[in-house]
Amino acid sequence: QVQLVQSGAEVKKPGSSVKVSCKASGGTFSSYTISWVRQAPGQGLEWMGRIIPILGIANYAQKFQGRVTITADKSTSTAYMELSSLRSEDTAVYYCARDSGATVTDAQGDYWGQGTLVTVSS
Amino acid sequence: DIQLTQSPSFLSASVGDRVTITCRASQGISSYLAWYQQKPGKAPKLLIYAASTLQSGVPSRFSGSGSGTEFTLTISSLQPEDFATYYCQQLNSYPVTFGPGTKVDIK
Repeated sequence: QVQLVQSGAEVKKPGSSVKVSCKASGGTFSSYTISWVRQAPGQGLEWMGRIIPILGIANYAQKFQGRVTITADKSTSTAYMELSSLRSEDTAVYYCARDSGATVTDAQGDYWGQGTLVTVSS
Repeated sequence: DIQLTQSPSFLSASVGDRVTITCRASQGISSYLAWYQQKPGKAPKLLIYAASTLQSGVPSRFSGSGSGTEFTLTISSLQPEDFATYYCQQLNSYPVTFGPGTKVDIK
């Protein structure tokens, strides 16, 4: 059974960066694709990007291009999402999800992490 | 980017009701659509992918249909555990996008 366990809640100052981890167990990590989705308080879901660990290739939503970096460490079966130049509007719960397949048409998340609350406040 | 709209945005229903939620895409997305259920404080749960394929373990009262630009999620007989918010997601092209959600509440 696939499990994704995310790092704990963070409080950050505006202008700083945050790096959230997502450790996978079960299955073969190198064959996964991992997406990151965020949800601001009381709002809907927003896709940020995804990575294919075996290829090290990431795709990002244009909205976050230049501010987000998604990486994966195959040796520890862990994916990371780093968001820089934080502002108050980045306050949200950040989720990682394992996609069903490598192509975008298989990017539905069949397993999800528990979510990580990132609060940006001065 | 492909925009998704959902209707209604809010739905009040009773246990046993048949519920239908519609998702419309701003351009054709073939059958590359998924549906999720989310309960407060929890991660989304995949219900349906490829517009009509039920995810393993999801009760058969959930069904999906549609292709192109119009899709529906149907719950044939609403159960107490089904009160939640439902999101559609398009997977036709980058960037992946979600609909704004439909909250199903108890009448």
